[in-house]
Amino acid sequence: GAVVSQHPSWVICKSGTSVKIECRSLDFQATTMFWYRQFPKQSLMLMATSNEGSKATYEQGVEKDKFLINHASLTLSTLTVTSAHPEDSSFYICSAAPGGRVDIQYFGAGTRLSVL
Amino acid sequence: GNSVTQMEGPVTLSEEAFLTINCTYTATGYPSLFWYVQYPGEGLQLLLKATKADDKGSNKGFEATYRKETTSFHLEKGSVQVSDSAVYFCALSPPTSGTYKYIFGTGTRLKVLA
Repeated sequence: GAVVSQHPSWVICKSGTSVKIECRSLDFQATTMFWYRQFPKQSLMLMATSNEGSKATYEQGVEKDKFLINHASLTLSTLTVTSAHPEDSSFYICSAAPGGRVDIQYFGAGTRLSVL
Repeated sequence: GNSVTQMEGPVTLSEEAFLTINCTYTATGYPSLFWYVQYPGEGLQLLLKATKADDKGSNKGFEATYRKETTSFHLEKGSVQVSDSAVYFCALSPPTSGTYKYIFGTGTRLKVLA
């Protein structure tokens, strides 16, 4: 089946630094990728939708300057958490929709971010 | 607004026991409904889906029926195995044009004991 690779799987950083998370579709082209955030014992919350070659669409309440999303190619999207603070500590998950498909998403394994 | 509520876990069962994980939803219109499974260290995988009322999704022995009247999409399996131990997420996608945007439940952890 289709594979989405997310890297790193776990990152610890100091408060005030920026962290980049990569999401790659390994065996298909993804025109659309999604970024989710999950707090402990809570639902996955959609943060933003990114389309290759265009600006990401952020969900209400998500700071676009805080969470920078770049979807520069059909196989790679990145999420950069800028000037991270402890409240940004969470589990971030990406997913990718194959080109031309609107009915399915393939998910990465997630990245656990801990900000000290 | 749209929301998904699923039973809290963890659910612990013996091998070959019957499994039910409850999921109810709130949505306008007719959403599509999904069950995803996440094995340790892996991404979410689509387990089954249903796109209209009374549809039954099934896969790997798991089943769920889209019940409009009770706004439910309960997951069932007649005989669970140790390999079914995972976290199960119920999700809906509102009936909008374009790419699906999922709304997930909180997930239910299932542990099956040998």
